[in-house]
Amino acid sequence: DAGITQSPRYKITETGRQVTLMCHQTWSHSYMFWYRQDLGHGLRLIYYSAAADITDKGEVSDGYVVSRSKTENFPLTLESATRSQTSVYFCASSGDGNQPQHFGDGTRLSIL
Amino acid sequence: GENVEQHPSTLSVQEGDSAVIKCTYSDSASNYFPWYKQELGKRPQLIIDIRSNVGEKKDQRIAVTLNKTAKHFSLHITETQPEDSAVYFCAASMSNYQLIWGAGTKLIIKP
Repeated sequence: DAGITQSPRYKITETGRQVTLMCHQTWSHSYMFWYRQDLGHGLRLIYYSAAADITDKGEVSDGYVVSRSKTENFPLTLESATRSQTSVYFCASSGDGNQPQHFGDGTRLSIL
Repeated sequence: GENVEQHPSTLSVQEGDSAVIKCTYSDSASNYFPWYKQELGKRPQLIIDIRSNVGEKKDQRIAVTLNKTAKHFSLHITETQPEDSAVYFCAASMSNYQLIWGAGTKLIIKP
């Protein structure tokens, strides 16, 4: 599904740096989500958004910031990266209500 | 908090046999239950989903069953093939449209 794209695909940075992961969808979906997936684990929700200018925390939101000024974009920022934030980050989107979530290809983030 | 338990964590079956993965959820308000397949290094992809007003849904070799009274749902894959090897995740909806995810099942198809 080329309708949701994440950038960059790979990123290496150092502790204390700020890093922003981008997510863009072309379906005009209302809902967007950020997950992290650690080796051997499932998906954990970081933040989600029900519409432009509406965001809410997930279960692992500490250390992360999001914004959604436009429906199609949902950037995730690590304000001061820590090694524990090394992970694969997936962005997803869905239409209104309980609709399937469609995932981007992920960003593999390494923090040294 | 609400959670979804998924079993088994690893499942190894002979090619051509059937595979069953089971999930139990805790939120009685959950009404949407998707299943995702994730191949190594790839993104999760929806393979089938079911809503609470339906007890069973099939799509070729894949089926999902839902028992709302017992709060469990299962994924059934028949006539397994090598390309079915992957990690499978179940999920259940919450009232705010978030999904609660199971921990995943690694399915291994033996030739």
